[in-house]
Amino acid sequence: AQSVTQLDSQVPVFEEAPVELRCNYSSSVSVYLFWYVQYPNQGLQLLLKYLSGSTLVESINGFEAEFNKSQTSFHLRKPSVHISDTAEYFCAVSGRNTPLVFGKGTRLSVIA
Amino acid sequence: GAGVSQSPSNKVTEKGKDVELRCDPISGHTALYWYRQSLGQGLEFLIYFQGNSAPDKSGLPSDRFSAERTGGSVSTLTIQRTQQEDSAVYLCASSLDRAFGFNYGYTFGSGTRLTVV
Repeated sequence: AQSVTQLDSQVPVFEEAPVELRCNYSSSVSVYLFWYVQYPNQGLQLLLKYLSGSTLVESINGFEAEFNKSQTSFHLRKPSVHISDTAEYFCAVSGRNTPLVFGKGTRLSVIA
Repeated sequence: GAGVSQSPSNKVTEKGKDVELRCDPISGHTALYWYRQSLGQGLEFLIYFQGNSAPDKSGLPSDRFSAERTGGSVSTLTIQRTQQEDSAVYLCASSLDRAFGFNYGYTFGSGTRLTVV
């Protein structure tokens, strides 16, 4: 069975500072990895995903995540956050024939 | 439709009553998923459909929960004899098919916030 651990439930950070949201997964099979974002009072939106190939994946709004197989991690990073990045971020994992399993989420609060 | 549509957006019900939550997936999406989002619990998988059949319903918490999908489109999640612990946001998602969803992710609706009083 697959599982996802998001180590931080809340991360406060000042505007324009860098941020890292941590995600570790466990799985006995090849996995696909995802980050979703949920802005206040909205549904979940896919932010980025890792399927294969380059271990560094990027989103259109400056976030990036790196797949590290040896550490079973898929941490999300942004070098400089904006107020508009305030949201809840969910890491998820799936196998070839299994639905996505989500972590408990990390609430990112950007402080002006 | 253009996106995944869920109704109602909010539902308040009395303990012991039955509720029905509706999900209308993106047109042409054959796979449909239900998740529950509770405070501090993240997203819990409930059930998914490929067409009208449910290959995996392992996440349904009890026999008070059931779901169906007819015509390969709209799905209804029914909770019988609601309890306070059923209070949560129920999220529906869809994908072209399950393989696409497992590999590339899903499109989520905005959810139904259920409050049992």
